[in-house]
Amino acid sequence: TQLLEQSPQFLSIQEGENLTVYCNSSSVFSSLQWYRQEPGEGPVLLVTVVTGGEVKKLKRLTFQFGDARKDSSLHITAAQPGDTGLYLCAGENTNAGKSTFGDGTTLTVKP
Amino acid sequence: DAGVIQSPRHEVTEMGQEVTLRCKPISGHDYLFWYRQTMMRGLELLIYFNNNVPIDDSGMPEDRFSAKMPNASFSTLKIQPSEPRDSAVYFCASSVSGNEQFFGPGTRLTVL
Repeated sequence: TQLLEQSPQFLSIQEGENLTVYCNSSSVFSSLQWYRQEPGEGPVLLVTVVTGGEVKKLKRLTFQFGDARKDSSLHITAAQPGDTGLYLCAGENTNAGKSTFGDGTTLTVKP
Repeated sequence: DAGVIQSPRHEVTEMGQEVTLRCKPISGHDYLFWYRQTMMRGLELLIYFNNNVPIDDSGMPEDRFSAKMPNASFSTLKIQPSEPRDSAVYFCASSVSGNEQFFGPGTRLTVL
């Protein structure tokens, strides 16, 4: 079973601060997804990264896939209270149709 | 597009009762996943289907759990008999390729 470790587990910051959360594994993934989950709702897909070293931007969110495709990071610039939620990464190591999810980082952005 | 539809949204039942959770995937999605989420264990994959066929049920906790997908637009997850430790939020997700998944709103199950 491939494991995805996310860090930190919890993060509480003030509005306007920058932050980075991490998703690490010893396994190589063919693709990796980031999701955000708000209380009482299901996870919502934010982005997919496929190529080693790939960087994708989604407004104030920057996602990077490691060169070896074993790890990824999510950087948020000037965090806002609306960014509050559980951030989950998920990796697919084959084209078998199944992904492994990390335990997530719970982010709280205080106004 | 209505997205993934799950019912009921909340279910409260007593230990020993049968519970059936329902899911309607997004039309055209060939993959359907059932997950369970708790604070202690996070998001756990229970089972997934491809083209209505169960592919991997290794995450199903025990024989009390069963899942079916009789057609491309409907799936059920059944727990019989239910136990308090089954209390969790159960999510259904669907996907075109398997990796990019679209989740439903979940069913919050409480077993007393």
